[in-house]
Amino acid sequence: TQTVSQSDAHVTVFEGDSVELRCNYSYGGSIYLSWYIQHHGRGLQFLLKYYSGNPVVQGVNGFEAEFSKSDSSFHLRKASVHWSDSAVYFCAASGTGGYKVVFGSGTRLLVSP
Amino acid sequence: ETAVFQTPNYHVTQVGNEVSFNCKQTLGHDTMYWYKQDSKKLLKIMFSYNNKQLIVNETVPRRFSPQSSDKAHLNLRIKSVEPEDSAVYLCASSNRDWGGYEQYFGPGTRLTVL
Repeated sequence: TQTVSQSDAHVTVFEGDSVELRCNYSYGGSIYLSWYIQHHGRGLQFLLKYYSGNPVVQGVNGFEAEFSKSDSSFHLRKASVHWSDSAVYFCAASGTGGYKVVFGSGTRLLVSP
Repeated sequence: ETAVFQTPNYHVTQVGNEVSFNCKQTLGHDTMYWYKQDSKKLLKIMFSYNNKQLIVNETVPRRFSPQSSDKAHLNLRIKSVEPEDSAVYLCASSNRDWGGYEQYFGPGTRLTVL
């Protein structure tokens, strides 16, 4: 069974703070990992992805994520958040082919001014 | 600007009616998906198509049927809606590159079943 777990349903930080959103996965075989952001009332937007190579990947708007095989994790980080980063963030995983993508339950990030 | 387009944005209907949702992508992608997002924001894949061929068909009720005329279009029909079908239906597309699968999502169709 392929699962993606986001343990924090809600995270609240102040503008300018750093933030880490956690993602853990359980997957057999080759895995493709990604993060998406969903602003209220809109579809998901791609942030970044990882398949192989450097475990730290850079994404849009200053986001980065680090893959850890030993921890089965792919945590998302940002050094200094802006109020516009307030949204729901989804971690996703898929196997070869990318036809079946499993999403985590999402983490709602609230950035206070 | 290329993107993933969905119509309608909203749809309110009665139990037992038939509804159809349309999705079109102008990104030239080979793979398209339908997801259901419930009121708690949980996302579940329903179907995925590659070049008009059904690849993934998750355990959804038989009243749901996808339809693909070409690789740029993937529609979703619900034959006889039930209250539990109330949700946001998200269409997405992707192309495989060496680094994995980057999905592009439409804005969604919000279905309310009374």
